[in-house]
Amino acid sequence: KAGVTQTPRYLIKTRGQQVTLSCSPISGHRSVSWYQQTPGQGLQFLFEYFSETQRNKGNFPGRFSGRQFSNSRSEMNVSTLELGDSALYLCASSQDHYEQYFGPGTRLTVT
Amino acid sequence: GIQVEQSPPDLILQEGANSTLRCNFSDSVNNLQWFHQNPWGQLINLFYIPSGTKQNGRLSATTVATERYSLLYISSSQTTDSGVYFCAVVFGAAGNKLTFGGGTRVLVKP
Repeated sequence: KAGVTQTPRYLIKTRGQQVTLSCSPISGHRSVSWYQQTPGQGLQFLFEYFSETQRNKGNFPGRFSGRQFSNSRSEMNVSTLELGDSALYLCASSQDHYEQYFGPGTRLTVT
Repeated sequence: GIQVEQSPPDLILQEGANSTLRCNFSDSVNNLQWFHQNPWGQLINLFYIPSGTKQNGRLSATTVATERYSLLYISSSQTTDSGVYFCAVVFGAAGNKLTFGGGTRVLVKP
């Protein structure tokens, strides 16, 4: 089985712009979660989607949003980028309530 | 509040040494996983272990859910074991939301 894939792998954006990141889960997995990793805050949960519905949301501002499509692929969007949004964004997929598998991540730099 | 704490934060080992990493969590869990983060940032699954003991080669893990801790053992360490090890848990009714510990940074010297 192919693993979790994320695109793009690297991204450089300017403050005020918006960005969309994509995640394709392992075939058959219906849960997709997103995490942000920064040196200062560690790994933090952004949100989880299951069968196209947001099931859980972390403590992030409304500039961070996401969605899931009928094929379980997910996108997350960050609007009005700030310098502090520079981070590694990781996506994880799982069958429900079981082991989670992570993609390689998207490294976002905001200048 | 809900917390996951890992110790020690940093560990320096000589190649061939054994070590134990600890993860304490503040509430009952439905899921506990150990990960190794490679230099490129990807989280590699080591163990899915909400309770009990598992072994995989030189690595083994034990979770004592009733006492709210998990241990990761590395035996006969190799330089390729270097990196950051994370413990992550799903608490109670949190769906699939993983709460991560702060990690243990391991450096294995030749």
